[in-house]
Amino acid sequence: DTGVSQDPRHKITKRGQNVTFRCDPISEHNRLYWYRQTLGQGPEFLTYFQNEAQLEKSRLLSDRFSAERPKGSFSTLEIQRTEQGDSAMYLCASSLGTGGNQPQHFGDGTRLSIL
Amino acid sequence: SQQGEEDPQALSIQEGENATMNCSYKTSINNLQWYRQNSGRGLVHLILIRSNEREKHSGRLRVTLDTSKKSSSLLITASRAADTASYFCATDAPSKAAGNKLTFGGGTRVLVKP
Repeated sequence: DTGVSQDPRHKITKRGQNVTFRCDPISEHNRLYWYRQTLGQGPEFLTYFQNEAQLEKSRLLSDRFSAERPKGSFSTLEIQRTEQGDSAMYLCASSLGTGGNQPQHFGDGTRLSIL
Repeated sequence: SQQGEEDPQALSIQEGENATMNCSYKTSINNLQWYRQNSGRGLVHLILIRSNEREKHSGRLRVTLDTSKKSSSLLITASRAADTASYFCATDAPSKAAGNKLTFGGGTRVLVKP
């Protein structure tokens, strides 16, 4: 079990640029989640995949955000035309899909800073 | 929006003391989970308590759940400096589409002084 891996750990970019983050979940986990966390707050749900299907998106996920999980393994989260308010920690988590009551395993996140 | 509210927001204790933090939530749940987060890192799952359970233990951790009051508490006994972290409660609400997404509280920042 190598855990959930996220890349990059830190990203600094200028406002208006596009950024893409990658998440590699635990290999046998078919559920994958993206959360966003701002300083001093708890994480907020962004989107959820079961295998390759994106089954739910939060209203927080504006049309500048897109997430994919093309083969049901790794996932990418892209933010287009970044804004100051996008500065946050982006966390990925995965879990087993066998019924409910399964804990989620989190990666160490990608910290995004918009200049 | 954040479902849970945690209390206190911050807690400072001496090593060896117990730390207690509380979480309240608003809607019905499948389960409630507690996570720890060290500065700049991801969240580490600590304990999951199902809606039909009232108390659960794991090592130095004790969690209680009162669904009638929509509240939970986390007790860390005999705290250590390494317990210094932020602690979050998260609820997993019944929803077919939600895929067990978690709704987090704002967290309790715990400082254990050596």
